[in-house]
Amino acid sequence: KAGVTQTPRYLIKTRGQQVTLSCSPISGHRSVSWYQQTPGQGLQFLFEYFSETQRNKGNFPGRFSGRQFSNSRSEMNVSTLELGDSALYLCASSWSSGQGSYEQYFGPGTRLTVT
Amino acid sequence: QKEVEQNSGPLSVPEGAIASLNCTYSDRGSQSFFWYRQYSGKSPELIMSIYSNGDKEDGRFTAQLNKASQYVSLLIRDSQPSDSATYLCADPYGRSSGSARQLTFGSGTQLTVLP
Repeated sequence: KAGVTQTPRYLIKTRGQQVTLSCSPISGHRSVSWYQQTPGQGLQFLFEYFSETQRNKGNFPGRFSGRQFSNSRSEMNVSTLELGDSALYLCASSWSSGQGSYEQYFGPGTRLTVT
Repeated sequence: QKEVEQNSGPLSVPEGAIASLNCTYSDRGSQSFFWYRQYSGKSPELIMSIYSNGDKEDGRFTAQLNKASQYVSLLIRDSQPSDSATYLCADPYGRSSGSARQLTFGSGTQLTVLP
């Protein structure tokens, strides 16, 4: 079974631009979560989508948004990029459908550099 | 705000020794924990999940969960140089919506296994 895929793998943008990152979950997984990883803050939760609905959101500004499509693929968008948005953006998928804790499997990540 | 505290290390052990990695957590509602391994420049890889009090063994890895002490640990027996990586503990206990999950990560422990 193929793992989580993310595109693009690397991205360089300038301040003020916007960026869209894409994630395809493991086949059969309906939950997609996004995380930001930086050396200073570690791994931080951005948001989670299930059945095209955002179920939970982390403590990030409104410049960070996402969506999920009917095939469970997800995109996240960052508008008006700031230097501090430079990070590894990770997508994780889970077959979660309700209560309980389900393992999350990470994709390879998108390394975003803002100059 | 729930927290997961992890010994940041770095931790060095000789090849063949037992490596012990530890986390404490503050949310008494936490029911389970995941351990991820992250090699430099790569994304986190799920290596162990533990859902109940006590020990869970998988090959050279043993996860221990003590809910009374709010403590979770990972033991790596017969450590190998290939085990050198950053190990992250993660609490998947959902907050706000009962059906939402988000991983709260510790800061990670960098393990080096010396040949």
